[in-house]
Amino acid sequence: QSALTQPASVSGYPGQSITIPCTGTSSDIGTYNYVSWYQHHPGKAPKLILYEVTNRPSGVSYRFSGSKSANTASLTISGLQAEDEADYYCNSYISSDTYVLFGGGTKLTVL
Amino acid sequence: QVQLQESGPALVKPSETLSLTCTVSGDSTSRDNWSWIRQPPGKGMEWLGYVYGRGTADYNPSLKSRVTMSLDTSKNQFSLKLNSVTTADTAMYYCARLISYGKFDCWGQGTLVTVSS
Repeated sequence: QSALTQPASVSGYPGQSITIPCTGTSSDIGTYNYVSWYQHHPGKAPKLILYEVTNRPSGVSYRFSGSKSANTASLTISGLQAEDEADYYCNSYISSDTYVLFGGGTKLTVL
Repeated sequence: QVQLQESGPALVKPSETLSLTCTVSGDSTSRDNWSWIRQPPGKGMEWLGYVYGRGTADYNPSLKSRVTMSLDTSKNQFSLKLNSVTTADTAMYYCARLISYGKFDCWGQGTLVTVSS
């Protein structure tokens, strides 16, 4: 099964909003509302920022939000801040033995 | 606060076995599900599998013939063994707690393993 598709990079200015899409198929994102997003600052542990498409874990900023349409899930970061500069990964549950598929990751640059 | 820390050799020779351990603090490995994920240089992440309970494990089918995961609840650790490694197994290896349906809520910082002679 192929990995989920994310753009390699996105960028934005402080205060702006950006959206990172994560595209799968009807076998994963299109069927299940089990998409999670992770923020990864290199050298640190990845951090869960969204789960089940739209839910934020305790302590995660309201500036992070998620949505889904058909086979594509999206992460939106509003009010960009310098500290948001990081790599972002999506994943989706799938029903087969492969269990979890990840995206290739998106590098966010805050200009 | 749950913390995970990977440990193991940074260099493994081709055809040998890669062995890593994840030490957990702030939670018990006798509870929850414990997973391994890797990321080859310049590529996306790949879920390797998870272990839970008394050592029951489920693996990514693409690696199933080469991977073994186990639990040591007395040391609050879980382990990964990947045999017959090749250079394609060079990656950053992460351990993580799997809550449900692809939701990994705690991760280690990762350990880079290079396969080279």
